[in-house]
Amino acid sequence: DQQVKQNSPSLSVQEGRISILNCDYTNSMFDYFLWYKKYPAEGPTFLISISSIKDKNEDGRFTVFLNKSAKHLSLHIVPSQPGDSAVYFCAAHRDSNYQLIWGAGTKLIIKP
Amino acid sequence: EPEVTQTPSHQVTQMGQEVILRCVPISNHLYFYWYRQILGQKVEFLVSFYNNEISEKSEIFDDQFSVERPDGSNFTLKIRSTKLEDSAMYFCAIRTSSSYNEQFFGPGTRLTVL
Repeated sequence: DQQVKQNSPSLSVQEGRISILNCDYTNSMFDYFLWYKKYPAEGPTFLISISSIKDKNEDGRFTVFLNKSAKHLSLHIVPSQPGDSAVYFCAAHRDSNYQLIWGAGTKLIIKP
Repeated sequence: EPEVTQTPSHQVTQMGQEVILRCVPISNHLYFYWYRQILGQKVEFLVSFYNNEISEKSEIFDDQFSVERPDGSNFTLKIRSTKLEDSAMYFCAIRTSSSYNEQFFGPGTRLTVL
């Protein structure tokens, strides 16, 4: 099942710079997209979400952009901080059911 | 953010044994979910539970699995006869009426089947 894809297994970014994490999807019926952050031995932590009717949502250092025509979304973190080092998951669901379909995750490493 | 705890944090069991994984939301929530993540693989949806009954389940959630909310608080996932391939992290998630689309996860239970 490849409905949600994160093609970069890892990303390394200098502290203070912008981190951009990408996610592609194939199911045009998705209504909602979410980003989660996960530390080892912990559950996923909700970060930010976006409805399919929007193209941008911002919350502090985190901004999610949605390009429906390209079936692509991205998470921008600026400025990146050492505590941002974690695995980031993109997930999506339809309004008809709320089961989250997940990407494989991208490991973000923030270098001091 | 709503708080969810899970017990045990790690469960080791022999193949064929029954296991019960528990999820305890700190406050009252309407919607419950179980997901699992096999090592090196994606997080997968198992089942959703609303108003004391299953609302959705995946192909993974076969007759070996069951869920219930026995005392109106704890939400449990039972695997009747564990198989080696059931070894995974199991995550409970909840959704509230105020956080309409977001699901909030517990820390997970690592299940190891020997």
